[in-house]
This record gives sequence, structure tokens and C-alpha cells, in this order.
Amino acid sequence: QQQVKQSPQSLIVQKGGIPIINCAYENTAFDYFPWYQQFPGKGPALLIAIRPDVSEKKEGRFTISFNKSAKQFSLHIMDSQPGDSATYFCAASSSAGGTSYGKLTFGQGTILTVHP
Amino acid sequence: SAVISQKPSRDICQRGTSLTIQCQVDSQVTMMFWYRQQPGQSLTLIATANQGSEATYESGFVIDKFPISRPNLTFSTLTVSNMSPEDSSIYLCSVAGLAYTFYNEQFFGPGTRLTVL
Repeated sequence: QQQVKQSPQSLIVQKGGIPIINCAYENTAFDYFPWYQQFPGKGPALLIAIRPDVSEKKEGRFTISFNKSAKQFSLHIMDSQPGDSATYFCAASSSAGGTSYGKLTFGQGTILTVHP
Repeated sequence: SAVISQKPSRDICQRGTSLTIQCQVDSQVTMMFWYRQQPGQSLTLIATANQGSEATYESGFVIDKFPISRPNLTFSTLTVSNMSPEDSSIYLCSVAGLAYTFYNEQFFGPGTRLTVL
């Protein structure tokens, strides 16, 4: 019930394309859904996050779509660039008290390649 | 966000030895966590570092193997004890509860790449 399932495992798009990465969760206590971007040799960087009170959030070229009833959320990258080539991780956490408070559960990761 | 540093950035160690990884934040934080990322894999939470008390470990991780200290609100250490090649991973600290951020926004350090021979 703590799992976050992410797909696809890898994704190749051309410059200007719109890659979409999907995640699904089971734990209804999750109430915070961030996306992280990780370049080789670096730590993950917080990219954008959403809470279940909204269905969409946009920051620059990055958009999260959230479907609470389906327990799914996705990352869209508009006008993708070669510099967006990285590994993307979705994650989820709960603000409920107890031992799970604040802990992130990560998806498996998606390796994105944007060709020039 | 904050500036999070980890030392060492990488190390190559011999089987049976121990390595202590340091995590330093430039501002006080409520929560600090330690993760492991095996090559080409996702991140797995090892433990929550609690200030002034024993760390809280996730299933599959034990204090004897991964002792953790957190003496104050800006610093924590993770020791990988009695290492074997299976411990070769990237070890990452993360922090949450920074001022002017949402309470559960987590920010990661650059990681420590450990290779055990």
C-alpha cells in the first residue's frame, strides 16, 4: 500500500515534444506529490509538487495533472529541450501523524532523453 | 531552499571497514533523512534522523549497520558499518521543515558515492 508505481521506465522524445510521465499510488493518506529531477552524479532536485486539493499545477514548462479518484498523477514537460534529459522521480508523502509523517515514497524513476 | 553539503562526495573502501558520511545544512531544519540509491535504481529511505534521540529506521535497515547521529538542527552523520560490496550505493541526506517552505518539502544533498571493494 506504500508503493508508488511510475511509468514508463524510459522515454525518448524529440526537441519540442511533450513527454508525459505517469504515477499511481494506493495509499489514500498520501497528500503531497512532488516530482524530482536528477542529473547524473547529482542529488535529486525538487521540480514541482501538488496537493490533492487541486487538479493541475503549472510552473514554467512543467505541469502536474492530478486525478484524486483514480489515484494517479502525471508530469508533462512542454517544449522539451535536450537540457531536460535526466531521470525523473515521482514521490508521495503523508502529513498524517505517526511514524509515516513526512516520509517520501519514490516511484521507480523515468530516464528521459530529449534529442536535438 | 538551503545549501546542503555532504562529505565525502565519494569514497572507495575495503570490505569490513566503516565509513561515516556527514550532512551539513546552512540553516536549521525540522527533519533530516538518509536515503540509499543503488546504481540505476530509485531512492530508498534508510532512516529519519531525530535531533537528540535515536534515529527511526525503516524496515530492512538496522542501527548496528547504519548508526546515525543528529546532534543539532543543522548536522547529521550516517555510518555504514562493516561494509560489503552490496553497500556500494549513493547515500543521500535530505532535509525538510525549512523556514519559508512547506513543512514537507524535502531538499536533497549532492550525495556520497560509495564503492566497496
